Amino acid sequence: DQQVKQNSPSLSVQEGRISILNCDYTNSMFDYFLWYKKYPAEGPTFLISISSIKDKNEDGRFTVFLNKSAKHLSLHIVPSQPGDSAVYFCAASALGFGNEKLTFGTGTRLTIIP
Amino acid sequence: ETGVTQSPTHLIKTRGQQVTLRCSSQSGHNTVSWYQQALGQGPQFIFQYYREEENGRGNFPPRFSGLQFPNYSSELNVNALELDDSALYLCASSLFSGSNTGELFFGEGSRLTVL
Repeated sequence: DQQVKQNSPSLSVQEGRISILNCDYTNSMFDYFLWYKKYPAEGPTFLISISSIKDKNEDGRFTVFLNKSAKHLSLHIVPSQPGDSAVYFCAASALGFGNEKLTFGTGTRLTIIP
Repeated sequence: ETGVTQSPTHLIKTRGQQVTLRCSSQSGHNTVSWYQQALGQGPQFIFQYYREEENGRGNFPPRFSGLQFPNYSSELNVNALELDDSALYLCASSLFSGSNTGELFFGEGSRLTVL
């Protein structure tokens, strides 16, 4: 069962425009959501997160939106830059488990076109 | 501050063999988690170790086992390798304080190919 879904395997965006990556989840126990970015031959690196008690979190060019009723979150990158080209993973955790198990989506490959 | 390091980076094994993958946690971190990332998939949680004990396990069979050492480094052992075990194995460390949120620091991974 895929509890975290990223339905777009790839996305191409012109440099300077907005990139929007989407993620859906099914498990109501998830209460913390994260985005990780992965370059080839590197491990995933943490990008931004949001608690379920918020609906928006912003960090520079990156903003994550959470719609709990729809079980949907999105990552906005604006303006997009060539260095943003990478695979982006959405992940979720349920703090009540007492550990940091993350459930990841399958990733979206973002390509920024110069 | 040193990051998470994993070894080896690449290895090839044959079906039925055993493999040990190693991970050094980031300085100051007391928790290590292991994830398996198959081709085209997101990382899947194998297990987590805290204070040298397993603290949570994903849907993986017992032939996947691990250790955490007093210096917080870790090993992942896989016995009786199967073709489907071919994947990138990621180690991640963090400082667990009982109210963590899942911000993990990943190594570059060990790519295992089973023939």
